[in-house]
Amino acid sequence: AQKITQTQPGMFVQEKEAVTLDCTYDTSDPSYGLFWYKQPSSGEMIFLIYQGSYDQQNATEGRYSLNFQKARKSANLVISASQLGDSAMYFCAMRDNTGGFKTIFGAGTRLFVKA
Amino acid sequence: SAVISQKPSRDICQRGTSLTIQCQVDSQVTMMFWYRQQPGQSLTLIATANQGSEATYESGFVIDKFPISRPNLTFSTLTVSNMSPEDSSIYLCSGSGPNSYEQYFGPGTRLTVT
Repeated sequence: AQKITQTQPGMFVQEKEAVTLDCTYDTSDPSYGLFWYKQPSSGEMIFLIYQGSYDQQNATEGRYSLNFQKARKSANLVISASQLGDSAMYFCAMRDNTGGFKTIFGAGTRLFVKA
Repeated sequence: SAVISQKPSRDICQRGTSLTIQCQVDSQVTMMFWYRQQPGQSLTLIATANQGSEATYESGFVIDKFPISRPNLTFSTLTVSNMSPEDSSIYLCSGSGPNSYEQYFGPGTRLTVT
């Protein structure tokens, strides 16, 4: 069965420093995709980064990178040079073909960036 | 990328009534989904909206409570029926493109049931 776990309810980071948000997953499907979304207080879901299970390299998008460790089933998000505007809720998500190619979400991590 | 709009953006409803939420995508998407996000919680998938046929519901969600339509590739509706205060949530429409890495979200409908 699909499962996404985020064990950090809240994280603090100093402005301009890097922060890692943890995510582990479980699936029996060898083909899957992993996503990270940002949800600011306005409520919109902002897509940040995607990693496919067969991708050889870790995904990067600007200040965001995904530390993909397939054997450990982890897909941690690294935000470099944190900015005050990074304060938000962050969700890890996974999609596979189990039960119809749907995406499930982890519980989320609330990130606070301190000035 | 696809742009998804939802109507209404928010509503306050009385218990026992029903509300229909509309979702419009500006381009064709392969799949459409409806999620619920209760206050302070993560997103929970309600159902997959199938074009021209009955939606596929997740465990804990039933058609009588959350009827869904998808008459074409770019439009879907979700009805929250016989509402109770426990239905107070944000309801989000999502569309998935032909590439596996594409999944877009609407801005959400914030529902309060009194």
